[in-house]
Amino acid sequence: EAEVAQSPRYKITEKSQAVAFWCDPISGHATLYWYRQILGQGPELLVQFQDESVVDDSQLPKDRFSAERLKGVDSTLKIQPAELGDSAMYLCASSPRRDRGLNEQYFGPGTRLTVT
Amino acid sequence: GQNIDQPTEMTATEGAIVQINCTYQTSGFNGLFWYQQHAGEAPTFLSYNVLDGLEEKGRFSSFLSRSKGYSYLLLKELQMKDSASYLCAVIPGGSARQLTFGSGTQLTVLP
Repeated sequence: EAEVAQSPRYKITEKSQAVAFWCDPISGHATLYWYRQILGQGPELLVQFQDESVVDDSQLPKDRFSAERLKGVDSTLKIQPAELGDSAMYLCASSPRRDRGLNEQYFGPGTRLTVT
Repeated sequence: GQNIDQPTEMTATEGAIVQINCTYQTSGFNGLFWYQQHAGEAPTFLSYNVLDGLEEKGRFSSFLSRSKGYSYLLLKELQMKDSASYLCAVIPGGSARQLTFGSGTQLTVLP
């Protein structure tokens, strides 16, 4: 069964350092999402890509976060510099290109980031 | 803005039935999802409702009333492995078809 891949699974970094997370969506899925989930809360959308283009990055703190999906396949999310409040689970999800109906998002295993 | 409310915690006994409620206020509506998330793991899809009524899938059922902005997830014959967080998520209006998640309901199943 096809899955969304993410790496690393866990990352511990010191504040002010740079971190990067990688996501490989399910083959053929046009839409890719990055979410941040703080413990005890639901996932919060950071950025949405349709192929290689950004559809929505309104919730992405652009002073320190960046995301790219250069060839419309895999994607990288970067934080520079990391802050203590960035400690969270970073989830990647992908979905097929559908304009209506069930457009189920498939989630990767996530990257657990701890900033010390 | 978008607002999705669900209880923070619920407890039930193995073999019992539990209903997890979700109310939403969004600008437009294009569907409602329920996801299950075990601690430290990614959310997994449970159900999707876009029309009013009940969708049944094995031990899990989901109900939607669009006029009331209300949904519930019904879990029957509870098992210990059902202990998890249950996330209600809505696709508001617009073409981006993004999910807006509630904070989740942590369900604990007791023996």
